[in-house]
Amino acid sequence: QVQLQESGPGLVRPSQTLSLTCTVSGDSIGSGRYYWTWIRQPAGKGLEWIGRVYSSGSTKYNPSLGGRVSISLDTPKNQFSLKLSSVTAADTAVYYCARAPYFWSASWFDPWGQGTLVTVSS
Amino acid sequence: DIVMTQSPDSLAVSLGERATIDCKSSQSVLHSSNNKNYLAWYQQKPGQPPQVLISWASTRESGVPDRFSGSGSGTDFTLTIISLQAEDVAVYYCQQYYYSPPTFGQGTKVEIK
Repeated sequence: QVQLQESGPGLVRPSQTLSLTCTVSGDSIGSGRYYWTWIRQPAGKGLEWIGRVYSSGSTKYNPSLGGRVSISLDTPKNQFSLKLSSVTAADTAVYYCARAPYFWSASWFDPWGQGTLVTVSS
Repeated sequence: DIVMTQSPDSLAVSLGERATIDCKSSQSVLHSSNNKNYLAWYQQKPGQPPQVLISWASTRESGVPDRFSGSGSGTDFTLTIISLQAEDVAVYYCQQYYYSPPTFGQGTKVEIK
């Protein structure tokens, strides 16, 4: 049974870089069968896709984030990571990592990690 | 980006009654080459991540009770819970995956009347 677990600082200062890691168990991120994605959800609000990485290392990001995003793989550790630069209070959210079937440029998400709350505040 | 609009924003349904949630996309998510609708539904219970219920607009994921069903095509879709149970209290989201970036509806909160 595949499981994903987010980890990283819960508090980030404004203008700094948010860094999170997702550790995957029960599946290999190098298998080539899935995208590995990040999604966020501000408190009491809806869901926003941040971006995804494929086993080849190719990435795609949500243009709404204005080029502030970077997602990378660490295949030996079976982890993938998110970096979001120049954060503001608007980036405060629960951040989820999730797996998405690879068959098209986009997909549905299953399963999801439990999520980690990141607060941007001085 | 494709805008997904759900209605209603919230609804209260008696136990055992039917709950219906609509989802409208700003462009068709029907792929003409395979006649599939690139639309998923999720359930999110308080304090938990979303869980996919349905993909391809009408295909239930493994383990999802058959009281959940999805229908629709093109731009108009519906999630139906035919006999609401207490454990179905949650927020439900639709999501299109035909276009990138994938986008979600704003969510519909389902409560017990």
